[in-house]
Amino acid sequence: QQQVKQSPQSLIVQKGGISIINCAYENTAFDYFPWYQQFPGKGPALLIAIRPDVSEKKEGRFTISFNKSAKQFSLHIMDSQPGDSATYFCAASAGNTGKLIFGQGTTLQVKP
Amino acid sequence: EPEVTQTPSHQVTQMGQEVILRCVPISNHLYFYWYRQILGQKVEFLVSFYNNEISEKSEIFDDQFSVERPDGSNFTLKIRSTKLEDSAMYFCATIEYLGQDSYEQYFGPGTRLTVT
Repeated sequence: QQQVKQSPQSLIVQKGGISIINCAYENTAFDYFPWYQQFPGKGPALLIAIRPDVSEKKEGRFTISFNKSAKQFSLHIMDSQPGDSATYFCAASAGNTGKLIFGQGTTLQVKP
Repeated sequence: EPEVTQTPSHQVTQMGQEVILRCVPISNHLYFYWYRQILGQKVEFLVSFYNNEISEKSEIFDDQFSVERPDGSNFTLKIRSTKLEDSAMYFCATIEYLGQDSYEQYFGPGTRLTVT
């Protein structure tokens, strides 16, 4: 029940395309859903986060879509750039504890 | 921009040896975390620490592991007797609360632990 399932495991997108990464969870106590970006040799860095009281949040080229009834959320990267090539992790947390449960990660490659 | 720092960046140790991984959290952050990431796998929560006490720990965080804040600035993770399966990247993280329902968790660059 503590798991967060992420797909796909890897993704190749052409420059300018849309990258879409999906996550699903079971624990209805989760109330905070961040996405992290990780470059090789670096720690995860917060990209964007959402609470379940909204269905969508947009920051620049990054959008989170949230479906509470389906217990799913996704990251959309519009106009994908080669600099977006990284590993992306979805995560979930409950009750402001800060304890993050991470998905398996998606390796994104954006081809020029 | 303030950042979480970790030392060393890479630690090689022999099985059965003790290791101490060090973290300097962002000043004024009060909640500290350790996570680990086995190569090619997801990031896993180990332990959270607040007010000089463990708040929560995972099943991974067994008696071989301990955390402390020895001098009010550093935050350490000790593994008493390392095993081969402890080889992983270990991340320290801290939290900044931005409002009632909003926080940001900052991760350090990690320490790669290799147990031989």
